[in-house]
Amino acid sequence: ETGVTQSPTHLIKTRGQQVTLRCSSQSGHNTVSWYQQALGQGPQFIFQYYREEENGRGNFPPRFSGLQFPNYSSELNVNALELDDSALYLCASSLGSGGDIQYFGAGTRLSVL
Amino acid sequence: GNSVTQMEGPVTLSEEAFLTINCTYTATGYPSLFWYVQYPGEGLQLLLKATKADDKGSNKGFEATYRKETTSFHLEKGSVQVSDSAVYFCALSVGQAGTALIFGKGTTLSVSS
Repeated sequence: ETGVTQSPTHLIKTRGQQVTLRCSSQSGHNTVSWYQQALGQGPQFIFQYYREEENGRGNFPPRFSGLQFPNYSSELNVNALELDDSALYLCASSLGSGGDIQYFGAGTRLSVL
Repeated sequence: GNSVTQMEGPVTLSEEAFLTINCTYTATGYPSLFWYVQYPGEGLQLLLKATKADDKGSNKGFEATYRKETTSFHLEKGSVQVSDSAVYFCALSVGQAGTALIFGKGTTLSVSS
């Protein structure tokens, strides 16, 4: 059974650019949630995808968008990057939209210069 | 709204000392409560959970009891080890669809031999 994998592990972008982060969910899981973790803070919920549909969203602007594919892997896209977008982005997968145990990947560290 | 408050860190202990990390929450409805642990350079791992009042979650010597009357879910361990050094996050989830985890800011634990 493979766990949650994220790519890339590190990324450096400049302000105004666009970025795509990728996540492969744990085998058998159909739900993916994305979180932003700023340095020294707890993760903040961005959104969740369940069976390829957005199924909940946190307090993030529309330039944060996502996709979920038929194999339940997912992408997080961020447009018009800002310096404050620098953070660790975590993906978590779970079984079912109401499933309460979320399994996390190691994250993608994004630095915006 | 829903929120989690954790004691500020860092917490510095000697090996075999007793550990308590305080966590209190505010929630509408009846939340599930979690403790996650984050080791350096890794994603979050579920440590334990409790889904209703008076439930006790336990794992690897760690325990936490869901106290509805005090809205608390304090993490305890009787004898810490150097390998327990990590960041600990208290979290809650409420509801069914689009279940987001709401995290506290995290508490850094450092155990020395």
